Amino acid sequence: AQSVTQLGSHVSVSEGALVLLRCNYSSSVPPYLFWYVQYPNQGLQLLLKYTTGATLVKGINGFEAEFKKSETSFHLTKPSAHMSDAAEYFCAVRVMIYNQGGKLIFGQGTELSVKP
Amino acid sequence: DTAVSQTPKYLVTQMGNDKSIKCEQNLGHDTMYWYKQDSKKFLKIMFSYNNKELIINETVPNRFSPKSPDKAHLNLHINSLELGDSAVYFCASSQVPSALHFGNGTRLTVT
Repeated sequence: AQSVTQLGSHVSVSEGALVLLRCNYSSSVPPYLFWYVQYPNQGLQLLLKYTTGATLVKGINGFEAEFKKSETSFHLTKPSAHMSDAAEYFCAVRVMIYNQGGKLIFGQGTELSVKP
Repeated sequence: DTAVSQTPKYLVTQMGNDKSIKCEQNLGHDTMYWYKQDSKKFLKIMFSYNNKELIINETVPNRFSPKSPDKAHLNLHINSLELGDSAVYFCASSQVPSALHFGNGTRLTVT
């Protein structure tokens, strides 16, 4: 069965520092992987996704993630954190069901704090 | 134009009451979902509809009944509300196998 584990429920970085949010997945089939961001009192916004092809995917707001099959990982990075990046981040894997649809299974979320 | 819209945004009610949450998407997607986010921010799927057909029902109590009158709408009715139903409920849509697009959520508080 597919699953997602996010390492670290809280990550704190200084403004301008590297952001690294870790995600490991378990999947018996080639995975579709996603990162979402949730700002307070808002819905989830897609940051980036990996389906097939290039393993380094770029998303919005300067974020990128690299799919590493050998490590079953899909870590999210950003070279330089901004105060506006403070939010909850979710990694997710898609599970297909009977070719009629599917669902996303989410990790537990990582809260990113950015210190001035 | 909002892609996935839910109403109401906030819902405060007493135990035992019945309430509904409505969701509409204008993206032309075939599949719609209800997710529940608990107080620890954990997201869990409740239901999924594909072209008005129920595809996923994830061990949700019978008090929760989704209805999809057409593929652009998915409503959630909850009977006999309990304290444990307090959460944020998110509607989402997708064109499989692409990403889900989420609404802004309905914060349900049961007192």
